[in-house]
Amino acid sequence: GENVEQHPSTLSVQEGDSAVIKCTYSDSASNYFPWYKQELGKRPQLIIDIRSNVGEKKDQRIAVTLNKTAKHFSLHITETQPEDSAVYFCAAPPRGISNFGNEKLTFGTGTRLTIIP
Amino acid sequence: DTAVSQTPKYLVTQMGNDKSIKCEQNLGHDTMYWYKQDSKKFLKIMFSYNNKELIINETVPNRFSPKSPDKAHLNLHINSLELGDSAVYFCASSHTSEAFFGQGTRLTVV
Repeated sequence: GENVEQHPSTLSVQEGDSAVIKCTYSDSASNYFPWYKQELGKRPQLIIDIRSNVGEKKDQRIAVTLNKTAKHFSLHITETQPEDSAVYFCAAPPRGISNFGNEKLTFGTGTRLTIIP
Repeated sequence: DTAVSQTPKYLVTQMGNDKSIKCEQNLGHDTMYWYKQDSKKFLKIMFSYNNKELIINETVPNRFSPKSPDKAHLNLHINSLELGDSAVYFCASSHTSEAFFGQGTRLTVV
């Protein structure tokens, strides 16, 4: 099955600085890599995702980069703000019985990001 | 018009009791999941269903029994509750990519 490792488990960053969270995966057939953000007491929500046919995707202050050869992908947050404080989860669903491969949506262990004002 | 709704939001019960958590999605998704989030915030998949069919059962004790009466519903029944079952349980659904989560059910076993 898929094994997703996420680092670091905790990260403290000065407001305005950048934060980087990295995930490695084991199934070379994985082709979809989402990142979820979970604020305190709330549900996880998708913030950005990338498919294996591109190496980078940006959405304002967040970006995701993918290295398929090394089997790792990273979340980059620039110009961090207090509202970025949350737990972030990566996922790398393996190919399943369907073409979508979403049946086993297994998450990394999470990174608690704290933005220091 | 909540996309994924689960009830109840809070559940406090005694050891040994049986309880159920209900989940419904109005997104027309084929795949639904149950996750357990412990105090360390790990999001562990318990079950996934595709079109009412059980796909994944991640070595969950058989005290946990999911039931999918139709594509839009995935309920979780737990027998003989134990202290270690205390956690937040999330239901989710997806089609091809993004997973949408319910608000979570905080289960406390005393």
